[in-house]
Amino acid sequence: GQQVMQIPQYQHVQEGEDFTTYCNSSTTLSNIQWYKQRPGGHPVFLIQLVKSGEVKKQKRLTFQFGEAKKNSSLHITATQTTDVGTYFCACSGSARQLTFGSGTQLTVLP
Amino acid sequence: DAGVIQSPRHEVTEMGQEVTLRCKPISGHNSLFWYRQTMMRGLELLIYFNNNVPIDDSGMPEDRFSAKMPNASFSTLKIQPSEPRDSAVYFCASSLDRGAFFGQGTRLTVV
Repeated sequence: GQQVMQIPQYQHVQEGEDFTTYCNSSTTLSNIQWYKQRPGGHPVFLIQLVKSGEVKKQKRLTFQFGEAKKNSSLHITATQTTDVGTYFCACSGSARQLTFGSGTQLTVLP
Repeated sequence: DAGVIQSPRHEVTEMGQEVTLRCKPISGHNSLFWYRQTMMRGLELLIYFNNNVPIDDSGMPEDRFSAKMPNASFSTLKIQPSEPRDSAVYFCASSLDRGAFFGQGTRLTVV
């Protein structure tokens, strides 16, 4: 099935700094989804991107889907301690099975 | 809606015992996923059902694992016999058209 690689694996930032995580695939993706998992919690769906070059915003979060639909990014502006968690990208295979990247664990230092 | 409901939340069992994990998806969702999460291997897709039919079970580790979805409102994941390396958090998720909604997970410990 399709696979996505996610970098970095870990990121420590000072509160107020920006944060970006990247998701890459060797094949064209039909869509990309982003999830957040708080420590001890379960993954929570954030957004789905479908169109080439699509950019969506949710408050301080900006999601982008590459022009070739092979990469995506999640950018957080001015991080807060509530942003702590692991951010996953996920892609749908040909049969709509959902495969997750390895995640980026974000730590925000107060 | 109460969301995806999994039971039990925690399970501790001895090696060799049978373990059954249960999931009730969100009403109206037609896709159901079982995932296993560990520090080493991340979130692994075990099996995916669409309209109660198993579509992709390529992630099921071995014959000790089996999953069923007898109807649209219930699914089980069974491990028989269980081994210590099966210790993990097992998540069930359901979906309709965009995004998967996860249950709280079952933390399984096999000693």
